Amino acid sequence: GQQVMQIPQYQHVQEGEDFTTYCNSSTTLSNIQWYKQRPGGHPVFLIQLVKSGEVKKQKRLTFQFGEAKKNSSLHITATQTTDVGTYFCAGSRDTGRRALTFGSGTRLQVQP
Amino acid sequence: DTEVTQTPKHLVMGMTNKKSLKCEQHMGHRAMYWYKQKAKKPPELMFVYSYEKLSINESVPSRFSPECPNSSLLNLHLHALQPEDSALYLCASSQDFPGGINYEQYFGPGTRLTVT
Repeated sequence: GQQVMQIPQYQHVQEGEDFTTYCNSSTTLSNIQWYKQRPGGHPVFLIQLVKSGEVKKQKRLTFQFGEAKKNSSLHITATQTTDVGTYFCAGSRDTGRRALTFGSGTRLQVQP
Repeated sequence: DTEVTQTPKHLVMGMTNKKSLKCEQHMGHRAMYWYKQKAKKPPELMFVYSYEKLSINESVPSRFSPECPNSSLLNLHLHALQPEDSALYLCASSQDFPGGINYEQYFGPGTRLTVT
């Protein structure tokens, strides 16, 4: 079945440092979504990418969708303590099973 | 109102008990989902309802029985659970279920279930 892996599993940064998480799918995706889950909380939608090579920005967050639509990345510039949480990518295929498959997640800890 | 509500927040049940989890949304969404999430793991899809009909069952054991009484409500009936079923159960909704492009999912706060 479809597998979506993320690296790293965990990252600890000093406040102000940059952070990147990478998402890789075993199959071509029709679209990819990113969610953030704070400790003790529930996933919250951040963004959706649809087009090959698409780049979207939200303030300090930059999201990219790979040219082959099999990978994606989330980059945070100058992390803040409010960025703490687990970041999940979630993708669905073009055909067949279209429900989202969540990636394994990257847990971010920010040291003040 | 972009809120999905879930009750109860916490549930402790024995292996012979029958209980139900409830989920409600008033965003007019036509797709609703149940996920199971273990600690430090991603949400795992269990069921998808689209227009009140079961669209996906991810080979979930029959001790979990979903129900969608109307477009705003989603229940998960639990019976004869095992300790390994202890987890956070998340409900989510989205505008529709594809089709084509996925719509963003709105998650509820979850029910933390402990099976003793």
